[in-house]
Amino acid sequence: ELKVEQNPLFLSMQEGKNYTIYCNYSTTSDRLYWYRQDPGKSLESLFVLLSNGAVKQEGRLMASLDTKARLSTLHITAAVHDLSATYFCAVGRMNRDDKIIFGKGTRLHILP
Amino acid sequence: DVKVTQSSRYLVKRTGEKVFLECVQDMDHENMFWYRQDPGLGLRLIYFSYDVKMKEKGDIPEGYSVSREKKERFSLILESASTNQTSMYLCASRLEGAGRETQYFGPGTRLLVL
Repeated sequence: ELKVEQNPLFLSMQEGKNYTIYCNYSTTSDRLYWYRQDPGKSLESLFVLLSNGAVKQEGRLMASLDTKARLSTLHITAAVHDLSATYFCAVGRMNRDDKIIFGKGTRLHILP
Repeated sequence: DVKVTQSSRYLVKRTGEKVFLECVQDMDHENMFWYRQDPGLGLRLIYFSYDVKMKEKGDIPEGYSVSREKKERFSLILESASTNQTSMYLCASRLEGAGRETQYFGPGTRLLVL
């Protein structure tokens, strides 16, 4: 059974600091997703990672994937208040009839 | 621009009522999904569909059914609503094939069952 664990679940940090959110998953997967959710809103796709060693960056966010360790990280560089949100990772497989399973999310609060 | 729409943003129903949640996507996506989101539990997959008339159970299908008669529309049905089905329901769709893996979400339906 595919399980996805994120940590930490809550994170409060100062502006300007760096931090990393971790996403571990339990079985072989072809694709790893990162999403952002603002309060009361739906989910916005940030990154899709498809291969071992994949790294993608957008602004102050960088995501990486290690399929051997079954681990993805979302790194935040020099955090700003606008990045406050809940971040979800999700894991799926290439088979068209396979499901996508989400972690519980990391609630990130960036203090000015 | 991909668009996933859900029939209602907010819904209030009574225990025992039959509830229909509709989801429509306009980009000819093969895969569609229904999730519920609850505080502290993240998103949990209820059902998904990878083709018309095809459906697969997710992790929490009990108390729900789905219908996919047309490619663009995926309906979630609560046969007899109960208070523990009060939740935010999110629909998503996704293309298949290399380079088209992104999953797009609708705005969500917040359902309250009294």
